[in-house]
Parts: sequence; C-alpha cells; structure tokens
Amino acid sequence: GAVVSQHPSRVICKSGTSVKIECRSLDFQATTMFWYRQFPKKSLMLMATSNEGSKATYEQGVEKDKFLINHASLTLSTLTVTSAHPEDSSFYICSAGTVSNQPQHFGDGTRLSIL
Amino acid sequence: GNSVTQMEGPVTLSEEAFLTINCTYTATGYPSLFWYVQYPGEGLQLLLKATKADDKGSNKGFEATYRKETTSFHLEKGSVQVSDSAVYFCALQTGANNLFFGTGTRLTVIP
Repeated sequence: GAVVSQHPSRVICKSGTSVKIECRSLDFQATTMFWYRQFPKKSLMLMATSNEGSKATYEQGVEKDKFLINHASLTLSTLTVTSAHPEDSSFYICSAGTVSNQPQHFGDGTRLSIL
Repeated sequence: GNSVTQMEGPVTLSEEAFLTINCTYTATGYPSLFWYVQYPGEGLQLLLKATKADDKGSNKGFEATYRKETTSFHLEKGSVQVSDSAVYFCALQTGANNLFFGTGTRLTVIP
C-alpha cells in the first residue's frame, strides 16, 4: 500500500533552534500534503495544507512565519519550525493525499522536544 | 460546518469483550467516513472506511456502518485482543480533501 515516510522520528534540541521535518511519499505522487499537530492525549489539529508548487494554506491561528512549509515536489514536503521554543514541543504528523475523498496516508510522526 | 463527535475514553476492556466506540458527525454534503488507529508512539493508520450511506467498512475484525439517518459511524469489534490497545480516531473527509477528526478514544485491553 501507499507509504509515507516522515523524518526524523524524534528531535530534541535547544530553544532558538530551527528544526526541519521531512515528509515523503515513497510510492505515489501526492498532490496534497497535510501537516498536523497533536498535543498529549488530544486529537490532531490541522496546521496547514500544501499543494506542490504553491504556497501552503494555513489554518486559523497557525503562524506561517513560525511554521514554514515547502512542497517542492510531488513526493516531498517539509515543515520547518523556526526559532523553536518549549511551547512548540509536540507530536507533528504529516499525511499525503491524491484525489479527493480517498484516504490520506500518514507518516509515523515526529516528536519534537525543545529544551 | 463539519465536525466529528466521538465517545470519550478511556475505555478499558477485558480480552474477548465486545467493543463499541460511538461516533457521530455533522457535515455539509456527502462525506467519506474513516476510523484511524494510532498505536503508542506511532502515526495514524487507516483502519476502515465507508464512502456512502449504508456502506460497511471492515478490517481486522472491526466494523462500522455509515448511517446517514442517524449521522453515525460507530466502531465495533466482537472480541478484542490485547494487541488492539491503541487510540482510535473517527474522521470525516469532504470533497475538499480535508479530514476532520474526533478527539480520539483510548482503548486498553487487559488480559
């Protein structure tokens, strides 16, 4: 089946560091990729939707200058958390979709811990 | 608007017990409905789906039926196993390809 690879799986870094998370669709071309954030024992919150070659669409309340999304190809999207602070610590999950109403395929997530 | 209301957990069951996790939804148009499962420390995996009214999704002994009249998509399994311990998310997807998740239900199955 469709596979989405997310890397790294875990990051621990100091406050002020910028962190890049990659999301790759391994065996299909993803027209749309989604970035979610999950707080402990909470549901997933959609942060942004990105389409290849165009600017990402951010959900209300998500700072686009803080969470930079690049979708340079049909198989790769990146999320960069700029100047990360402890409150940015969370579990970030990407997903990739092809056509409408077909299931999205999720990466295994990245646990980000900012000290 | 679109939203999913899911039974709050946590749910603790003994092995071989019957499982029901309730899920109701509000949607504009005709959404597809999904159950995703998240094992500890992992991302989400699609468990089952239904794309139109009266469809039944099934996988690994789990079932859910798309009920338009009650706007529900309850997850059931006749006999749970310890390995089913996870967090289960009900979700709907609209034509715009956006997924709306419920809050998740944590299931713990004890031997």
